[in-house]
Amino acid sequence: DGGITQSPKYLFRKEGQNVTLSCEQNLNHDAMYWYRQDPGQGLRLIYYSQIVNDFQKGDIAEGYSVSREKKESFPLTVTSAQKNPTAFYLCASKSQPRLGNEQFFGPGTRLTVL
Amino acid sequence: AQSVTQPDIHITVSEGASLELRCNYSYGATPYLFWYVQSPGQGLQLLLKYFSGDTLVQGIKGFEAEFKRSQSSFNLRKPSVHWSDAAEYFCAVGAGGRGSTLGRLYFGRGTQLTVWP
Repeated sequence: DGGITQSPKYLFRKEGQNVTLSCEQNLNHDAMYWYRQDPGQGLRLIYYSQIVNDFQKGDIAEGYSVSREKKESFPLTVTSAQKNPTAFYLCASKSQPRLGNEQFFGPGTRLTVL
Repeated sequence: AQSVTQPDIHITVSEGASLELRCNYSYGATPYLFWYVQSPGQGLQLLLKYFSGDTLVQGIKGFEAEFKRSQSSFNLRKPSVHWSDAAEYFCAVGAGGRGSTLGRLYFGRGTQLTVWP
């Protein structure tokens, strides 16, 4: 079955450590997105990529980094510079970065900083 | 700038009752509008979308939404709610413009739906 996978489902990190969240899709989608979700805040865009080897900052990119070396993969690194990283992280993709196409979402990764 | 407002943070309805979740958007051109649903600890699932044409759109799970340009609204409705509909619902508008902003979504803060048996 085609879809988006995120791993791990739960992740615990000590303060000062970098962690990388995985996002893989086998939908052959061009565009991929990372969102952060906090209670009552909706989804906020961290980074997005429309094609391989290209990505743009979203609304809350500080303290995060991404890469897009392969079409199927868009990993997100939460660095120690991110002051409040505890949140639910969602990855999404869409077939082409056009207005009309909906985004498909992965199951999410819950990151907790200890 | 694009934005989405969902005025109701939490709504409670009885099973079998009708439901309407409100969504207002701010966007300069013809909007592309979406409703997503999220169960606890899960990703988002698309319920329905509006691009153009008939202003009343049908979605999955018996949901429908009506686009009203004059009111900048895209409210979600269901005639009879089931206990399994309890979840969080997000309205989103697709961004236009040139270059790198094309294709991103702006989300509302969500409405949490509780269903009483």
